[in-house]
Amino acid sequence: ETGVTQTPRHLVMGMTNKKSLKCEQHLGHNAMYWYKQSAKKPLELMFVYNFKEQTENNSVPSRFSPECPNSSHLFLHLHTLQPEDSALYLCASSPSREMNTEAFFGQGTRLTVV
Amino acid sequence: ILNVEQSPQSLHVQEGDSTNFTCSFPSSNFYALHWYRWETAKSPEALFVMTLNGDEKKKGRISATLNTKEGYSYLYIKGSQPEDSATYLCAFETSYDKVIFGPGTSLSVIP
Repeated sequence: ETGVTQTPRHLVMGMTNKKSLKCEQHLGHNAMYWYKQSAKKPLELMFVYNFKEQTENNSVPSRFSPECPNSSHLFLHLHTLQPEDSALYLCASSPSREMNTEAFFGQGTRLTVV
Repeated sequence: ILNVEQSPQSLHVQEGDSTNFTCSFPSSNFYALHWYRWETAKSPEALFVMTLNGDEKKKGRISATLNTKEGYSYLYIKGSQPEDSATYLCAFETSYDKVIFGPGTSLSVIP
């Protein structure tokens, strides 16, 4: 257990559905991250929140909408996704966005868009 | 386009063997180099964060070196054990807050 919990672990959704992924950490960390792992591609950083403020959006389409209501929770709202968005979505947290700190990852949500 | 490469793509070693693999990254705009271990069905686990040229870090039987001038980092595993079987990822972090992951090296340690 890393202290970072993601729910659900698996999700199947249609292209017209709206769903949300949830990430929770009680490690006292102030930075939280969403990553995407597509089949046969390297891990990609999607969004970064530092002290509840979004600090990075790495050219992610607007059908992915992050939300960070407090330092312990991070959501990824999904709307009108495409089959190519099927991937493993990983959440991570770290003490802060400072680069020399290690990140702790959740186990991921395996998303399938049909 | 920033490119991070790892070699080899996969590796099979016998238990007890020592092994190493490489992460290559751009030599400009360097901020940090991260190594992660990712076992199947588990979360990625941070191994090292390296920031200074010439850095050497060690955690048990695993160690890493960093050369920012030429753009490479080596990860070494001494006396490989079956529990070392995993994918080892490196991630290059730029001075302008971009993080680019390599494709990983998949290590299998045969008992």
